[in-house]
Amino acid sequence: DAKTTQPTSMDCAEGRAANLPCNHSTISGNEYVYWYRQIHSQGPQYIIHGLKNNETNEMASLIITEDRKSSTLILPHATLRDTAVYYCIVRGNNDMRFGAGTRLTVKP
Amino acid sequence: EAGVAQSPRYKIIEKRQSVAFWCNPISGHATLYWYQQILGQGPKLLIQFQNNGVVDDSQLPKDRFSAERLKGVDSTLKIQPAKLEDSAVYLCASSLGQGNIQYFGAGTRLSVL
Repeated sequence: DAKTTQPTSMDCAEGRAANLPCNHSTISGNEYVYWYRQIHSQGPQYIIHGLKNNETNEMASLIITEDRKSSTLILPHATLRDTAVYYCIVRGNNDMRFGAGTRLTVKP
Repeated sequence: EAGVAQSPRYKIIEKRQSVAFWCNPISGHATLYWYQQILGQGPKLLIQFQNNGVVDDSQLPKDRFSAERLKGVDSTLKIQPAKLEDSAVYLCASSLGQGNIQYFGAGTRLSVL
């Protein structure tokens, strides 16, 4: 699977949008971009995934660039409960390779 | 719908002892995964089952780790004997099938002293 690069940490003000970037310059045509998050002392939680088109669900939006070499996860109105480690994963046929992720801290 | 259940939540053992973790996946999920997460790192896949067969165990340290899913539902992961470097959170995940969204349990935190 392709490797991803994410910032180590980010801060966001409560109520503002949190934009988490991810670079995946070696992604292959059949590989999806997945996002998970892990709140302290819990298992990873699925957020969203996409192949080429932008995706939106009740939790977040995923914006994938046209060349698919990078993506951005958007939490439209961050709350304190969104404080977590966010993992961007490029997934081929099966297995998922987690990196170290981005530690997002939402501040009051 | 019930999520992935894991037990125990915490376990403390001394090195060279043995330990076992249990996982009950979401009902109807054919694929089950065990991950190891060392502090400060992302989860690393140890083994993947499709029903009761092993699909991928390439990263499982087979000299000390073993796992089984005899009836294609529950699974156990065993470490014997444990080493200090096995201190980690052991996560179980399940999915409808290979390539589907994986849902994770809360994990078992193992401390080896």
